[in-house]
Amino acid sequence: GENVEQHPSTLSVQEGDSAVIKCTYSDSASNYFPWYKQELGKRPQLIIDIRSNVGEKKDQRIAVTLNKTAKHFSLHITETQPEDSAVYFCAASMTDSGNTPLVFGKGTRLSVIA
Amino acid sequence: EAQVTQNPRYLITVTGKKLTVTCSQNMNHEYMSWYRQDPGLGLRQIYYSMNVEVTDKGDVPEGYKVSRKEKRNFPLILESPSPNQTSLYFCASSGTGYEQYFGPGTRLTVT
Repeated sequence: GENVEQHPSTLSVQEGDSAVIKCTYSDSASNYFPWYKQELGKRPQLIIDIRSNVGEKKDQRIAVTLNKTAKHFSLHITETQPEDSAVYFCAASMTDSGNTPLVFGKGTRLSVIA
Repeated sequence: EAQVTQNPRYLITVTGKKLTVTCSQNMNHEYMSWYRQDPGLGLRQIYYSMNVEVTDKGDVPEGYKVSRKEKRNFPLILESPSPNQTSLYFCASSGTGYEQYFGPGTRLTVT
């Protein structure tokens, strides 16, 4: 089955700097890669996703890149702000036959220091 | 308002006392899922359901049961809870867009 590895497990950056979180996946059939943000005491919420027919996707200060050949994808947050502090999870699934289980990475705790 | 609800939000129980955590969604989603979240282990899937009367095991199904008799509801049943099932539990649902919408979570403590 699918296995998703996520690095680093913790990340501290100065406010205004960029943050990068990396994930690798094992199943080449996976074609949907979402990123979820979980603030302290809250539920995970989708912040951006990418499908395998696209190499990069941006939404304001966040972007995700996908390298299908290497089977890795990354989340980039630019101009970080204190409200970006949270745990971020990457995930992978195969959607050719409709919804299939998301396999999550173990998470990255991002701390933005003001 | 589109949402996923879970009840109870907090529960402290004793070993062996059967309990049910309810999950309900009002978005007419076919796919529903249960996860447990433990420090350092991320979100691990317990069971999922592709539609009514269709359920499948996730990565950590031992000690749990589910049922999907109606599209909107997907209860999680612990027939004989043990302390290693102390965790934060999330229900989620998903429609054709694949985004999973999570419930608010249920914090379970088994003593």
